Amino acid sequence: EAGVTQFPSHSVIEKGQTVTLRCDPISGHDNLYWYRRVMGKEIKFLLHFVKESKQDESGMPNNRFLAERTGGTYSTLKVQPAELEDSGVYFCASSQAPGSYEQYFGPGTRLTVT
Amino acid sequence: AQSVTQLGSHVSVSEGALVLLRCNYSSSVPPYLFWYVQYPNQGLQLLLKYTTGATLVKGINGFEAEFKKSETSFHLTKPSAHMSDAAEYFCAVSSGYSTLTFGKGTMLLVSP
Repeated sequence: EAGVTQFPSHSVIEKGQTVTLRCDPISGHDNLYWYRRVMGKEIKFLLHFVKESKQDESGMPNNRFLAERTGGTYSTLKVQPAELEDSGVYFCASSQAPGSYEQYFGPGTRLTVT
Repeated sequence: AQSVTQLGSHVSVSEGALVLLRCNYSSSVPPYLFWYVQYPNQGLQLLLKYTTGATLVKGINGFEAEFKKSETSFHLTKPSAHMSDAAEYFCAVSSGYSTLTFGKGTMLLVSP
């Protein structure tokens, strides 16, 4: 069974540019989560999809971040325009059941904004 | 609200020595507790979890953790460290139907 995959693994962009991160969850997992780790800090929750619907987006930092999950399969997280403080590692996770009994994490996308 | 405190951003042990990584949590409801490990260039991998029942939880790779409600702790231990245990370890808490709240992580360094 394939795990959670994320693309790209690394992205370096300039301040003001746009970046789109992609997450492919484990097949059949209705629940998809985005988390972010800013360097030196804890991993923080961004949002939670159930199928294509946003269940909880309380962790989204501001309106420069837009997450979508078309058709309830893969998800994208767009940052537009990127700022320096957006640098960090963005993790995606998926689970079959709601909640956090067992979330499977992807390898993350390291975003560097210069 | 929930929170997690991991004591020590870096812990160094010798190969064969006891590993002890500390985690204290705060939760207004009965907590679900997790330890994740991240090896270099890999995603987070679940080591073990406590939901209900037995307070001593055994995980993969010889790790275990004990839920102590009176101390609000969930420390991770392994009797004998191996070089391959070198990684970053994250403690996390949830209420079961909420998302995960993580600690800042502890980097485990294992020397020969």
